[in-house]
Amino acid sequence: SAVISQKPSRDICQRGTSLTIQCQVDSQVTMMFWYRQQPGQSLTLIATANQGSEATYESGFVIDKFPISRPNLTFSTLTVSNMSPEDSSIYLCSGNRGMNTEAFFGQGTRLTVV
Amino acid sequence: RKEVEQDPGPFNVPEGATVAFNCTYSNSASQSFFWYRQDCRKEPKLLMSVYSSGNEDGRFTAQLNRASQYISLLIRDSKLSDSATYLCVVEEGTYKYIFGTGTRLKVLA
Repeated sequence: SAVISQKPSRDICQRGTSLTIQCQVDSQVTMMFWYRQQPGQSLTLIATANQGSEATYESGFVIDKFPISRPNLTFSTLTVSNMSPEDSSIYLCSGNRGMNTEAFFGQGTRLTVV
Repeated sequence: RKEVEQDPGPFNVPEGATVAFNCTYSNSASQSFFWYRQDCRKEPKLLMSVYSSGNEDGRFTAQLNRASQYISLLIRDSKLSDSATYLCVVEEGTYKYIFGTGTRLKVLA
């Protein structure tokens, strides 16, 4: 597996503002993903972060709200834009090295929007 | 219907008990299967992969039934440290990992 450093680990933000979350992997990975985990619930996939091109979003998630960058094979960012209290959640980045391989995670960002 | 479903629990079992979790998935084209463990306020971590022939790792046994589209996890001789949420994860052949709803286990002294 690999180690993903995710930051910030937590933040409290005002509604209407934006927050950018960063993930740095200690070695190259094939795929990177962003998930959201609401309190007491499982992980919901937001999007696949594609290296050098636009992310692929899952149903219910759009680029204007969750712009994602992946400039290289070890780094990705997720921005939560124009935040509202409904965006309060844990956001997790994940990476893997291809099919049938372990998915490993960053430590998560606990976001509270007030 | 959710893509990957699990009984949310909680399962409260005494130390030493055997407990089993099931998970069903809807996409018959799914390629790979895993069990992850998530402790409170922590990120998920791989517990074990699930192979078609079934596999065992110490006290943990995983089984896959492709015909019925379900996966199981058996924990023998439960320890207090096994208390966590267990997540069934399915990879759909597109590198995407879809997580189940999770099953909470609490092992009681």
